[in-house]
Amino acid sequence: AQTVTQSQPEMSVQEAETVTLSCTYDTSESDYYLFWYKQPPSRQMILVIRQEAYKQQNATENRFSVNFQKAAKSFSLKISDSQLGDAAMYFCAFSMGGSEKLVFGKGMKLTVNP
Amino acid sequence: DSGVTQTPKHLITATGQRVTLRCSPRSGDLSVYWYQQSLDQGLQFLIQYYNGEERAKGNILERFSAQQFPDLHSELNLSSLELGDSALYFCASSVGGIRGAGIKYGYTFGSGTRLTVV
Repeated sequence: AQTVTQSQPEMSVQEAETVTLSCTYDTSESDYYLFWYKQPPSRQMILVIRQEAYKQQNATENRFSVNFQKAAKSFSLKISDSQLGDAAMYFCAFSMGGSEKLVFGKGMKLTVNP
Repeated sequence: DSGVTQTPKHLITATGQRVTLRCSPRSGDLSVYWYQQSLDQGLQFLIQYYNGEERAKGNILERFSAQQFPDLHSELNLSSLELGDSALYFCASSVGGIRGAGIKYGYTFGSGTRLTVV
């Protein structure tokens, strides 16, 4: 069974600084997708960034980028120039190719200090 | 507004009762997914429908059932409710297509229904 591990339950960062959220996953598959979702206090689940396993290039979306290490089964999220609005729970998620089910990690609470 | 509409936003009910949660997907999306978010279990996939047909099933209890109607809205029915069923229930949608295609770009979540069983 696929599992997703977010080992840090909480982190904090100063506004305008950079923070990296870690995620590891376990699968024997070679075809899969990885995602980071953000859940602010409004509780809406918002897609931050996605990565396809067969693509070597790390995904980037504005201030958000990932470091995808396929051999190490690691998928970390880097947030640059942190803003107060980035404060939220962040969930790493995995989906096996051919499946549309998301397997989520337990989440990590990010606090942004002004 | 994500375009995925869930009603009601909050629901308080007693043990043993039955409730129905409703989801309207984004315009053009054919796939609907249901997830449960609880403190002890985290986010768990329950079930997926594509264009009216059940496509995948996860950790959904026998007391729970779902369906997707011809207008593509979906309902999640929870019966014989227990205290442990208290959770946030999310619906999500995607365009879908051939099996596995719906996940390629991630899917869009609604804002959830907070169910409290007392």
